[in-house]
Amino acid sequence: EEQLVESGGGLIRPGGSLRLSCAASGLSVSIYHMSWVRQAPGKGLEWVSVTYTGENTNYADSVKGRFTISRDNSKNTLYLQMSSLRVEDTAMYYCVRNQLLENDCFNLWGQGTMVTVSS
Amino acid sequence: EIVMTQSPGTLSLSPGESATLSCRASQSVNHNHLAWYQQKRGQAPRLLIFGASIRSTGTPDRFSGSGSGTDFTLTISRLEPEDFAVFYCQQYGASPTTFGQGTRLEIK
Repeated sequence: EEQLVESGGGLIRPGGSLRLSCAASGLSVSIYHMSWVRQAPGKGLEWVSVTYTGENTNYADSVKGRFTISRDNSKNTLYLQMSSLRVEDTAMYYCVRNQLLENDCFNLWGQGTMVTVSS
Repeated sequence: EIVMTQSPGTLSLSPGESATLSCRASQSVNHNHLAWYQQKRGQAPRLLIFGASIRSTGTPDRFSGSGSGTDFTLTISRLEPEDFAVFYCQQYGASPTTFGQGTRLEIK
């Protein structure tokens, strides 16, 4: 069974840093474009970042310069390094698999990890 | 970026009825790259439809997608109790990909 399991969320003060991890099983992250999507409490979905199979990356304007996406193919794990965190970054963060394309829909979702930015 | 607008915000229906959810894009969606997701309370979203009308693996055939350009529709026929949830549309024809704000389908 294909599965994505996120971890690393928690309560962090504004300006702080946090690294989210997404461990994959039943699939190899190395052959897929992989993304992060977030959802603020009671709100809709927002794409955050993508890492392409060729190691290039892309970010939403709201996180550009503050977040860094990466992957470790040997550990079959995706990461999201978040710094200079803001209250508005508070959300459930989902690790997702692009279906096929660099800009695509998402056909596999993790259960999410909650990030709360608050003083 | 392309703004996606869903309507109605909330839809109240009874099991056995049919539901029609709308999604409008601020610009034409390239290649009809439009997806629909279902999110049940406390769960991650699940891909239902991609390419505007192609059912994803495991999506029951009572779910159907249609539309092109800027106007898209998700139709759910013969609502089952497990269908009640929040539904999101997503365009992935242009970068960045963007989502609608969601339609809540609730039991009347």
